[in-house]
Formats: sequence, C-alpha cells, structure tokens
Amino acid sequence: AQSVTQPDIHITVSEGASLELRCNYSYGATPYLFWYVQSPGQGLQLLLKYFSGDTLVQGIKGFEAEFKRSQSSFNLRKPSVHWSDAAEYFCAVGGTDTGRRALTFGSGTRLQVQP
Amino acid sequence: NAGVMQNPRHLVRRRGQEARLRCSPVKGHSHVYWYRQLPEEGLKFMVYLQKENIIDESGMPKERFSAEFPKEGPSILRIQQVVRGDSAAYFCASSPPRQGTAQFGPGTRLTVL
Repeated sequence: AQSVTQPDIHITVSEGASLELRCNYSYGATPYLFWYVQSPGQGLQLLLKYFSGDTLVQGIKGFEAEFKRSQSSFNLRKPSVHWSDAAEYFCAVGGTDTGRRALTFGSGTRLQVQP
Repeated sequence: NAGVMQNPRHLVRRRGQEARLRCSPVKGHSHVYWYRQLPEEGLKFMVYLQKENIIDESGMPKERFSAEFPKEGPSILRIQQVVRGDSAAYFCASSPPRQGTAQFGPGTRLTVL
C-alpha cells in the first residue's frame, strides 16, 4: 500500500530564512510525486510535481523539490521565505496505471512565518 | 478555460438529512476523484470515477455514501442520513484521459448540525 509521511506537523521560520519541508513516501512502483499548498479555507494549489527525468524539480513561487529514490524522499525547499508562504503544505504520491491514479496525501505541515 | 467547479461551496444540513455535492470537471477531463478532509487533517481519497463507471471506491464508507459520474452532467457525491462526523471539506479533482495532473476544485464545506 502506498503512504506518505510528513514528519513535521508545524514549522516556524523567520521571513527571509530558508525552508525545507520533509516528505517520505512508500510506493511499490515508480511514483508520481506532488506538493500542494492550501491556505485556510481554500482549495489546493499545485506547487510542483515529479514524473520522471531530472530529480530536481522547479515549481511556482520559488519552490523546488528533490526526488531521492534511495531515501524515498521528496523534500520541498525554498531559499527565502515570504510572509505570504504561511499555509499548509501537503505532499502526495500517485501512480501511473489506471487503477492507481488516486493520490495519497500526507497529513500536512503547517508553516508559520515570523516577521 | 474554467477549472474544476464545485457547488455548493458551503452546505449546512441537520442530522438525518441528505447532502448532495456536485463537481463539474475541467472540460475534456473524463476522470473525477473525490477526497475528504476532516478538520486539521490531510485529504483522504474516497472514490475515483470515469464517465458512467466507478473505478476505485476503496475509500468510500460502506454505508450512506455514494457517487456517480453520469454521461452528461456533473459528478455527484451523495451522503444520506448525515451525521456530525460527516462534517468536513469535500474536494473534487479531475484529470484528462491520459496521464496528467489532477486539478482540484475549491471544495464544499459540509457542516452537520
């Protein structure tokens, strides 16, 4: 069965500091990996995705993530956090074959940004 | 090009009533997924449908919940005899027939009194 673990429930960083959100996954085949962001009371916005190829993926809003197969990880990074980045971040894994296209989400990491 | 549309955005029901949540996928998308997000939790997969077919309903509660995606019209998630524990945000996502990224709707927030 596939699963996603986001070990950090809450993270607080200062504005301008760097950020890394951790994500570990379990999946029996080549995974599709995603990071989504959710502001309070809102839907999910896709930040970036990994399907294949270059293991360092660039996304929107200055985010990037690195796929490390040996560590089963897909950590999200941003070199300099802005106050508007405060939100909940979800890592998700999905499959490519028809029967496994639904996503499995982690429990999320809530990011607070201090001025 | 309109994204995934869900209505209503907010729905209040009393215990025992029925809730109907609608999802209109992106034009050209034939795959629809429903997810539930309980307060302070991540999204949990409920059901995956293609036009007129349920592909995977492994996440659906066995009773009171049903979903359909007819040939014409939106996908419907139906919850009969709602209970307080059904209060949650319900998100729909759609994706194209071939490999592609699912796009999420804004969600329907169901409150059961």
